[in-house]
Amino acid sequence: GDSVTQTEGLVTVTEGLPVKLNCTYQTTYLTIAFFWYVQYLNEAPQVLLKSSTDNKRTEHQGFHATLHKSSSSFHLQKSSAQLSDSALYYCALIYGNEKITFGAGTKLTIKP
Amino acid sequence: AQTIHQWPVAEIKAVGSPLSLGCTIKGKSSPNLYWYWQATGGTLQQLFYSITVGQVESVVQLNLSASRPKDDQFILSTEKLLLSHSGFYLCAWSAGLGGYEQYFGPGTRLTVL
Repeated sequence: GDSVTQTEGLVTVTEGLPVKLNCTYQTTYLTIAFFWYVQYLNEAPQVLLKSSTDNKRTEHQGFHATLHKSSSSFHLQKSSAQLSDSALYYCALIYGNEKITFGAGTKLTIKP
Repeated sequence: AQTIHQWPVAEIKAVGSPLSLGCTIKGKSSPNLYWYWQATGGTLQQLFYSITVGQVESVVQLNLSASRPKDDQFILSTEKLLLSHSGFYLCAWSAGLGGYEQYFGPGTRLTVL
């Protein structure tokens, strides 16, 4: 079936150091789109990044991600972590007719 | 600007009792609408989506049903709550098909005792 895998449930990074959150997927659909959502404590998820173009880098709020269909990946990265980046991050795959599958989520904690 | 409102904000209900959660979107005509469930500490599970009034597609039912009585309204309900229904229920909308981002409402926290 169609699935999204986020391998790390918890990631802790020191402020100022780089961040990488992994996301891989499995799908049989050809037309797909990817999102990274961020969810702050007691708030609703909000879109951080989106992409549907292979090998094209997308950026927002200092984060970037590139969809690589050859490796079925859409990893999220940031060169320098900030304390305010602490949150839950979800990778999501949209496929078929408005179906969406979320990964299990990665809790990112930035420490001083 | 579009706004999405969910009601109630929080609910504490007994096992076996009925439930109705609501969602309205203002400022956007004919939105695609979605219901999600998030267990405490868990990921987001898509439950239903609707592309037009009166039409609802089920993704995962979890003994719940959904209806879209108006263009701007989406209702989630059940006649008998289970303990496993506890969690955070989120309504979302998108502008169309094919990978449009979804915008989430503030959510309803449901506790079933």
